[in-house]
Amino acid sequence: DVKVTQSSRYLVKRTGEKVFLECVQDMDHENMFWYRQDPGLGLRLIYFSYDVKMKEKGDIPEGYSVSREKKERFSLILESASTNQTSMYLCASSHWVLGQGDFGPGTRLTVL
Amino acid sequence: GQQVMQIPQYQHVQEGEDFTTYCNSSTTLSNIQWYKQRPGGHPVFLIQLVKSGEVKKQKRLTFQFGEAKKNSSLHITATQTTDVGTYFCAALWGGGTASKLTFGTGTRLQVTL
Repeated sequence: DVKVTQSSRYLVKRTGEKVFLECVQDMDHENMFWYRQDPGLGLRLIYFSYDVKMKEKGDIPEGYSVSREKKERFSLILESASTNQTSMYLCASSHWVLGQGDFGPGTRLTVL
Repeated sequence: GQQVMQIPQYQHVQEGEDFTTYCNSSTTLSNIQWYKQRPGGHPVFLIQLVKSGEVKKQKRLTFQFGEAKKNSSLHITATQTTDVGTYFCAALWGGGTASKLTFGTGTRLQVTL
């Protein structure tokens, strides 16, 4: 019953490192999203994609980039990780008509 | 910008009491979704409301979409310890292919015996 998977549950990186977070969905969804979740701030949208090679900025895109080379895979890239990017990162996908978001288990990233 | 505000941030109830969380937007929404996130888990979709004034029920949970489609509520009757978690509303902006799903800040519900 695998739907949305994320490459790591926990990740520890050092300041300045390039970080890749991978998300894969097996539901043939058009839309994919990356959020970060911090206490008291809810889920904030970083980037989303509605088709292969298409991407749109969310509410907090600074310091992040994304890649969607295949429909099932959406990657979040931290070009130069900083301590303020320590957070829980959640990936989601949705069918473009139905809209219901299916989430992955999340990656807890710590930047030292 | 496109955002939804959610209140309260936190509520602590005794088991058996009712609970309500509210979601408000300054702009008209095309739809509203509700999610539940258990402690240590990820958000799980509960329901989507699309029509003005729509009311939907799932056992002890009642979801409402306002007449003006600018607000929504989730009401839980007679809470149980299994209801513990954070409840989020979310709005789908844009429609069609490039739809952006944004979330409220969530209401954390604590239920004690």
